[in-house]
Amino acid sequence: EAGVVQSPRYKIIEKKQPVAFWCNPISGHNTLYWYLQNLGQGPELLIRYENEEAVDDSQLPKDRFSAERLKGVDSTLKIQPAELGDSAVYLCASSLSGLRADTQYFGPGTRLTVL
Amino acid sequence: GQQVMQIPQYQHVQEGEDFTTYCNSSTTLSNIQWYKQRPGGHPVFLIQLVKSGEVKKQKRLTFQFGEAKKNSSLHITATQTTDVGTYFCAGPVSSNTGKLIFGQGTTLQVKP
Repeated sequence: EAGVVQSPRYKIIEKKQPVAFWCNPISGHNTLYWYLQNLGQGPELLIRYENEEAVDDSQLPKDRFSAERLKGVDSTLKIQPAELGDSAVYLCASSLSGLRADTQYFGPGTRLTVL
Repeated sequence: GQQVMQIPQYQHVQEGEDFTTYCNSSTTLSNIQWYKQRPGGHPVFLIQLVKSGEVKKQKRLTFQFGEAKKNSSLHITATQTTDVGTYFCAGPVSSNTGKLIFGQGTTLQVKP
């Protein structure tokens, strides 16, 4: 079974430029998560989707970040414009459902460097 | 707000020595999950504990969930170089969602 797929794996951009990350969850997983992971820290949730509905986006900086999950499968996370402080690893994860007992499976992440 | 803390932040051990990381939550948790992240890798699910006082073992790894369901520990017996990585604990924000709060992790280095 294929795992969570993310692309690109690495991205280097200049500040004020836009950037987008793509995630394909494990087939059949209804819940999709986007996390931000800074160096030396644990992942922090940005947004959680149940199918195509964003059910928790309280941690998403909505002035510059946006996300979508059309058709309840793939998802994209966008930053526009990027700032120096956005340099981090952006992780996508999926689970069968959003219930507390479900295991979350993480993708390899996209390492973003903003110059 | 709810917090999950882990200690120590770093641990260097000689191969063959034991290792323990501790996880403490500011609130009672319905369950606690442990993940391992290898250097340059992504978090990989290890185990979930649900019951008060629960103890689970995976080969040389022993996981415990406290009686009050506010703390947990991971103990590795006789560490190997393959154990290198960062170990995270994570607990749900509320009792009925999959939203997890992660600790800051404990990074284990094993000297051969």
